[in-house]
Amino acid sequence: GAGVSQSPRYKVAKRGQDVALRCDPISGHVSLFWYQQALGQGPEFLTYFQNEAQLDKSGLPSDRFFAERPEGSVSTLKIQRTQQEDSAVYLCASSLGGRAGRWGNIQYFGAGTRLSVL
Amino acid sequence: AQSVAQPEDQVNVAEGNPLTVKCTYSVSGNPYLFWYVQYPNRGLQFLLKYITGDNLVKGSYGFEAEFNKSQTSFHLKKPSALVSDSALYFCARKGSSNTGKLIFGQGTTLQVKP
Repeated sequence: GAGVSQSPRYKVAKRGQDVALRCDPISGHVSLFWYQQALGQGPEFLTYFQNEAQLDKSGLPSDRFFAERPEGSVSTLKIQRTQQEDSAVYLCASSLGGRAGRWGNIQYFGAGTRLSVL
Repeated sequence: AQSVAQPEDQVNVAEGNPLTVKCTYSVSGNPYLFWYVQYPNRGLQFLLKYITGDNLVKGSYGFEAEFNKSQTSFHLKKPSALVSDSALYFCARKGSSNTGKLIFGQGTTLQVKP
């Protein structure tokens, strides 16, 4: 596709349910990021993949959060036993990546998944 | 810790007037700075970036930003605001890790009134 695609756009979960959020990055993009955006706040980093390797998961708030990118393209963010504080918009971004020039690479964002935990 | 601050929650400007959205960054290493815009129910859209070189950076939709090392600022500017510029604007910098992750400010809502 032309841009980063995320699904579902909206997800309502009962507290304690498991959820899975999907990200389809721009074709050929090596780097993939997940961010969490709470209401009225800026996005906060969760985790980073370079191809299929998860190189940084320092932003994951608890061990209930798990992300994977098994074939180096589509990624899934899974949240187990959801809590009310998990309610937020989850944004996925991809960039061309690669070691050279990585710092200046533009991250392209999807529209996000709005998760509401009741 | 590296951080970015946007001191104004909201900026109001009349259409046709110049606009400025402020951003300051913490002094730590070489800052790689970005501006993104977010429209309702849409993802963040890249506007411009500063990596190195000229302090005045030109970006999309007529926006520009000036990198000021002495004031640790990277304010977003546009000479003549449009009503369609009304949106939420985020300043960001590259984090200290070896991954290129971004650290965002809390955002500034720009309201352009006709």
